[in-house]
Amino acid sequence: RKEVEQDPGPFNVPEGATVAFNCTYSNSASQSFFWYRQDCRKEPKLLMSVYSSGNEDGRFTAQLNRASQYISLLIRDSKLSDSATYLCVVGGYTSGTYKYIFGTGTRLKVLA
Amino acid sequence: DAGVTQSPTHLIKTRGQQVTLRCSPKSGHDTVSWYQQALGQGPQFIFQYYEEEERQRGNFPDRFSGHQFPNYSSELNVNALLLGDSALYLCASSLSGLTDTQYFGPGTRLTVL
Repeated sequence: RKEVEQDPGPFNVPEGATVAFNCTYSNSASQSFFWYRQDCRKEPKLLMSVYSSGNEDGRFTAQLNRASQYISLLIRDSKLSDSATYLCVVGGYTSGTYKYIFGTGTRLKVLA
Repeated sequence: DAGVTQSPTHLIKTRGQQVTLRCSPKSGHDTVSWYQQALGQGPQFIFQYYEEEERQRGNFPDRFSGHQFPNYSSELNVNALLLGDSALYLCASSLSGLTDTQYFGPGTRLTVL
């Protein structure tokens, strides 16, 4: 089982739609959680950190479920500019090393 | 406020050669992490430097080594290049805490022929 798993997509949605991505992680001792956005052939850019209480930033809402070991990202009122790959990132200790583990990413295409 | 910078942007090498990639962290950051991102994959953690020492390391062979300078900039060295080393190499900077948010540079795209 991969340490961080995401559905690779692509998710093709019309403008204005609501779309949700899930990400599961295997290390129950994980301590930090993030969503990054990556455009084609560019570097990942931080979208938002994810907290146990959940957090919202405009059209974006992130949730963390520690009991089930997954995090989610909800995008409301999708825009064409939201088309990108969304990377789930989980930080924690593995074999004594603290590191960030990235999922393979979920591709989103917002269609006009 | 300067973000994370990396050089060069692109590099072409042949098998067996050695390469050095460079990174300057975001202003105010003292920690640099390096990642390898193969096509269609998420970034894979190589190692992290803090206070001029390697603090954490991922599952990469000793052919991958690094250095951090007193000004917090960093280098990634890869020896005896293999075709499979072709990837986007990303540098991320953060503050000293292990759980601090990382900010990425634009990356260096390495092609090994």
